[in-house]
Amino acid sequence: EAQVTQNPRYLITVTGKKLTVTCSQNMNHEYMSWYRQDPGLGLRQIYYSMNVEVTDKGDVPEGYKVSRKEKRNFPLILESPSPNQTSLYFCASRLTGGQTGYTFGSGTRLTVV
Amino acid sequence: AQSVTQLGSHVSVSEGALVLLRCNYSSSVPPYLFWYVQYPNQGLQLLLKYTTGATLVKGINGFEAEFKKSETSFHLTKPSAHMSDAAEYFCAVRTNFGNEKLTFGTGTRLTIIP
Repeated sequence: EAQVTQNPRYLITVTGKKLTVTCSQNMNHEYMSWYRQDPGLGLRQIYYSMNVEVTDKGDVPEGYKVSRKEKRNFPLILESPSPNQTSLYFCASRLTGGQTGYTFGSGTRLTVV
Repeated sequence: AQSVTQLGSHVSVSEGALVLLRCNYSSSVPPYLFWYVQYPNQGLQLLLKYTTGATLVKGINGFEAEFKKSETSFHLTKPSAHMSDAAEYFCAVRTNFGNEKLTFGTGTRLTIIP
């Protein structure tokens, strides 16, 4: 089944403890992106990648890192999480070509205490 | 810069009534426009998209949207609401200049009244 898989689905952590949220897609998509969803703010783009080793900042990149060493994987790294990073995170991927829409993962609900 | 405004964070309609969810965008270049739906505890699913060509776009589950350049709008409609349409709906815009910034609106929660 064609899909974007995120892990974990739920995570509670403490301030300052490094964590990684994994994202993998099996559709050979070039583009991948991370979003966070907060009530009243919609979805905001954190980082995106247009291909292996090509990444760029979205609208809210502070406090996050990404890497794209393989086409299928696009992990999101929080080096020192803070409570304001408590949110619902989505990974998404799409084929190249402006007409294509993103396929989203099921989300990761992160709580930082 | 691009932006999206969705009028009405909550919309309620009766089952069988017309659904109209409003979306206005701002973009300095021709945009690609999308509507996504999010059911509770799920990710986002693409409903429909406008890229080029026909301005009336049909999507899944009986939804359609019309791109009106003069009004910078891309409103989502469905002639007859069904209980299963209850969800949150997001409008999004991306420019076609090769950047990958997909900008979402703040969402509209649709409630269907039996």
